[in-house]
Amino acid sequence: SQKIEQNSEALNIQEGKTATLTCNYTNYSPAYLQWYRQDPGRGPVFLLLIRENEKEKRKERLKVTFDTTLKQSLFHITASQPADSATYLCALDPSGGSYIPTFGRGTSLIVHP
Amino acid sequence: SAVISQKPSRDICQRGTSLTIQCQVDSQVTMMFWYRQQPGQSLTLIATANQGSEATYESGFVIDKFPISRPNLTFSTLTVSNMSPEDSSIYLCSVGGAWETQYFGPGTRLLVL
Repeated sequence: SQKIEQNSEALNIQEGKTATLTCNYTNYSPAYLQWYRQDPGRGPVFLLLIRENEKEKRKERLKVTFDTTLKQSLFHITASQPADSATYLCALDPSGGSYIPTFGRGTSLIVHP
Repeated sequence: SAVISQKPSRDICQRGTSLTIQCQVDSQVTMMFWYRQQPGQSLTLIATANQGSEATYESGFVIDKFPISRPNLTFSTLTVSNMSPEDSSIYLCSVGGAWETQYFGPGTRLLVL
């Protein structure tokens, strides 16, 4: 069956360190993968999209990698800040070109001052 | 990007009753989407709402339980009918943006007693 797996345990890190979140998938061949941020009581907010032919994408302190062989994406936040504390969702194209992504459960990130 | 508002932001309802959630977008859009996010679970697409036609429901969701209206290009409603405690969830509307992204409203937090 198709699965999108994100660590259900919260990631706790110290301010200033790099946070790395993982998204693994099985039985998908996505044309793209996205990362969203969700704060409590809010809807998800789009952060980054990476396509299947891209290995890495950066935006300010954010970096996303996409390994279609490992079926994995890594999401990095460098120089993390307490304001980065949130739940981060990965989402991917469920059928090779769909414009409606399928979402993982998300991983909670807690950055301690 | 689109600015999306939802009403109500939260509600507590008795089982057997119905609740209608409103979604307003600040620009005209062809498609609007309704998601459910149960505690600890991923976002699940309920249906796609097109203006002037019947909504398209995902597997496991039916029109009798989740009737949707789409009277114009900036507004949609989702009704949760004959509610049970299992319907307790966050309900989110969204619209599609560039690069297969989704822009979400703030969500409606529903508790059914």
